[in-house]
Amino acid sequence: KNQVEQSPQSLIILEGKNCTLQCNYTVSPFSNLRWYKQDTGRGPVSLTIMTFSENTKSNGRYTATLDADTKQSSLHITASQLSDSASYICVVSALSGYSTLTFGKGTMLLVSP
Amino acid sequence: DVKVTQSSRYLVKRTGEKVFLECVQDMDHENMFWYRQDPGLGLRLIYFSYDVKMKEKGDIPEGYSVSREKKERFSLILESASTNQTSMYLCASSSSAGATYEQYFGPGTRLTVT
Repeated sequence: KNQVEQSPQSLIILEGKNCTLQCNYTVSPFSNLRWYKQDTGRGPVSLTIMTFSENTKSNGRYTATLDADTKQSSLHITASQLSDSASYICVVSALSGYSTLTFGKGTMLLVSP
Repeated sequence: DVKVTQSSRYLVKRTGEKVFLECVQDMDHENMFWYRQDPGLGLRLIYFSYDVKMKEKGDIPEGYSVSREKKERFSLILESASTNQTSMYLCASSSSAGATYEQYFGPGTRLTVT
């Protein structure tokens, strides 16, 4: 069964600090991995998408890495801001036609002043 | 700019009522999706559609139906709402072109069934 596990479940950091969120998956055959940011009460917004051949991708202060061999990904947030407080969801797509996705349960990040 | 809109941000309905949730996308996407999101469970796929009048069941279709009469509009129907359908409902769309099938989400509808 395809699964995506995220850790930690929640995290509190001080404004200005860096943090790293983890994602492990067992989705096969693998197509791509995405990280979404979801503000409270809002829909998810895509941060990065990585295919099999990509091992790092950045979007401003967000940097995602992918190790397809170990089936692990991380999302690193640099110099955190209060607006980074949100749920971060790892989503993995299998090669199954109409984009059937497997969602992680998310990491809830709180950036404290 | 990509846009997916949902008809209501908040909705309160009574048990047994028929509920319609509407989703519209302006990107000419072929694929549209309905998810529900519950604390501790993440997003779960209810139904998706890959073309007008076409639909496929997702992981949790029981108690729901869908309608796609036009390419830009995808409706989720709760025939007889129950309290266990209280949830956040998210609509998404994606293009069939390209390799990544990136999904764009709407803002969500928080439905409360009393």
